[in-house]
Amino acid sequence: AQSVSQHNHHVILSEAASLELGCNYSYGGTVNLFWYVQYPGQHLQLLLKYFSGDPLVKGIKGFEAEFIKSKFSFNLRKPSVQWSDTAEYFCAVNEDFGNEKLTFGTGTRLTIIP
Amino acid sequence: DTGVSQNPRHKITKRGQNVTFRCDPISEHNRLYWYRQTLGQGPEFLTYFQNEAQLEKSRLLSDRFSAERPKGSFSTLEIQRTEQGDSAMYLCASSSIMGDSNQPQHFGDGTRLSIL
Repeated sequence: AQSVSQHNHHVILSEAASLELGCNYSYGGTVNLFWYVQYPGQHLQLLLKYFSGDPLVKGIKGFEAEFIKSKFSFNLRKPSVQWSDTAEYFCAVNEDFGNEKLTFGTGTRLTIIP
Repeated sequence: DTGVSQNPRHKITKRGQNVTFRCDPISEHNRLYWYRQTLGQGPEFLTYFQNEAQLEKSRLLSDRFSAERPKGSFSTLEIQRTEQGDSAMYLCASSSIMGDSNQPQHFGDGTRLSIL
């Protein structure tokens, strides 16, 4: 069975700081990887996705993530955060060519201090 | 707005009552998913449909839960004889298939269920 680990439960940063949120998954096969963001009072929105190809993927709002297959990791990064990035971030995975259900991590709450 | 729509947004009911939630997916999406999210956790998969066929159900989906998608468009999730542990946010998502590849899932705002 798949599982996803997000080690940072709550991260507090000042504006303009750099961000890296960790995500590790366990699954032996080929996977698709996602980061979703949930702003206060809003629904989950797709931030970025990795299906295949270049392991460095760029998403919306200046976010990027790098898939490192040997480490089973898909960490989310942003060089300079803004107050508006305050939200909850979820890493998720599903199997390629098969069961499309998403397995989510427990989420990381990001608080940006102005 | 052409996103995923869920109704109601919030449902409060007494233990033992039946509740039904509705999800209207994005119109061209043929796959529809239900998830449940409790406080401090990520969403957990419950079930999914491709068109009107229910293709998988999680072990989380006890026999008190039933989901339907009769015409391959909207879906309903019913919980019978609700229990305290059913209190959660119920999320619906939809996606489409392009060729052999699945596309990302788009989520609705969810229905928050509170059991008194």
